[in-house]
Amino acid sequence: GAGVSQSPSNKVTEKGKDVELRCDPISGHTALYWYRQRLGQGLEFLIYFQGNSAPDKSGLPSDRFSAERTGESVSTLTIQRTQQEDSAVYLCASSLGERGGVGETQYFGPGTRLLVL
Amino acid sequence: AQKVTQAQTEISVVEKEDVTLDCVYETRDTTYYLFWYKQPPSGELVFLIRRNSFDEQNEISGRYSWNFQKSTSSFNFTITASQVVDSAVYFCALLTGANSKLTFGKGITLSVRP
Repeated sequence: GAGVSQSPSNKVTEKGKDVELRCDPISGHTALYWYRQRLGQGLEFLIYFQGNSAPDKSGLPSDRFSAERTGESVSTLTIQRTQQEDSAVYLCASSLGERGGVGETQYFGPGTRLLVL
Repeated sequence: AQKVTQAQTEISVVEKEDVTLDCVYETRDTTYYLFWYKQPPSGELVFLIRRNSFDEQNEISGRYSWNFQKSTSSFNFTITASQVVDSAVYFCALLTGANSKLTFGKGITLSVRP
């Protein structure tokens, strides 16, 4: 596609429920990133995928968070047993991945606004 | 560890004024990359510029200009003759040579009043 797309754009859930957030990177981009933006804050890195390499999960805040990627395309971020502090905008980005993503410009999607009641 | 500081939190100007957004970064890496992104009310982050640590040449693009100074670890962004459409949150971000995780500042909310 022309840009990074994410779905849903908004998600309201009840505390304790599981949610899945989807990201479609720019066609041809092999590197994919997830970030979280809490209200009034900058973005926090969550996880990074590059080709077939093991993902860098160093930013995931707890074991309730996980992510998968199918080949070099769609990625799903799953949050289990959601808590109110998980309320945030979840942003996905992609880059070419020619050098493992190092130094590359990351292009962001519109984000998914998650509200946990 | 990497750190990006955007000391200004909110700036309000009247249309046609010039405005400079400050960014100070910290890293021990000699190879790194600096970025500015714009986040309008719609929420999507829009890429504005990328600079690597070996290129201190400042750049002008239309009404935008960037001043990169390694001596002061700063990468400031100036909008000349601001317009209402420039109203957004502006983020400065750092990427070091060793990894692919962007480190963001907390952002500066720019309001341009007609």
